[in-house]
Amino acid sequence: EPEVTQTPSHQVTQMGQEVILRCVPISNHLYFYWYRQILGQKVEFLVSFYNNEISEKSEIFDDQFSVERPDGSNFTLKIRSTKLEDSAMYFCASRWTGGTDTQYFGPGTRLTVL
Amino acid sequence: QQQVKQSPQSLIVQKGGISIINCAYENTAFDYFPWYQQFPGKGPALLIAIRPDVSEKKEGRFTISFNKSAKQFSLHIMDSQPGDSATYFCAASSTTGSARQLTFGSGTQLTVLP
Repeated sequence: EPEVTQTPSHQVTQMGQEVILRCVPISNHLYFYWYRQILGQKVEFLVSFYNNEISEKSEIFDDQFSVERPDGSNFTLKIRSTKLEDSAMYFCASRWTGGTDTQYFGPGTRLTVL
Repeated sequence: QQQVKQSPQSLIVQKGGISIINCAYENTAFDYFPWYQQFPGKGPALLIAIRPDVSEKKEGRFTISFNKSAKQFSLHIMDSQPGDSATYFCAASSTTGSARQLTFGSGTQLTVLP
């Protein structure tokens, strides 16, 4: 069964450093998402991406964040200058077409900012 | 208005019992209500979903009940099993836009005792 994959599974970085989290969505999906989950809290929407542009973003997704689909398979989330409060689990999700609503989530990347 | 409120925060049920988790929303634009199951260290996985044109949907041991006038929906797990022990999140989205980002509840940690 096709699945969303994410790398790395765990990323440790120093405060102020840039990190790039990578995702490979399900191959025929057209809509892509990033969510984050701070330890013990609910899953929060960050950004959605369709047709090579951001379609929606939350107030969490400030200028420190950016997303990119550099090729036909990868979808990345970049945090330019990490803060301690960026420590969280980051989930990538993908959805097939405009007529479906099911989002499939990857296993997540645990980001630890020291 | 974007919030989805979920209760209880934690739930302990004996094997064979019924687990009930409740959610409430305020945004009347929401028209898609999925439930996700999350095991430790894993991403959320879609369990079952409902739209407001039906009041109940059943898939195996899992049933969603939906009350449109009260803006509430609930997950019932019949014959609960130890393997059902996980965190359950309700979510909601509006399907009118292309983004369809999910707004999650705060989660319920379910423990089913053997």
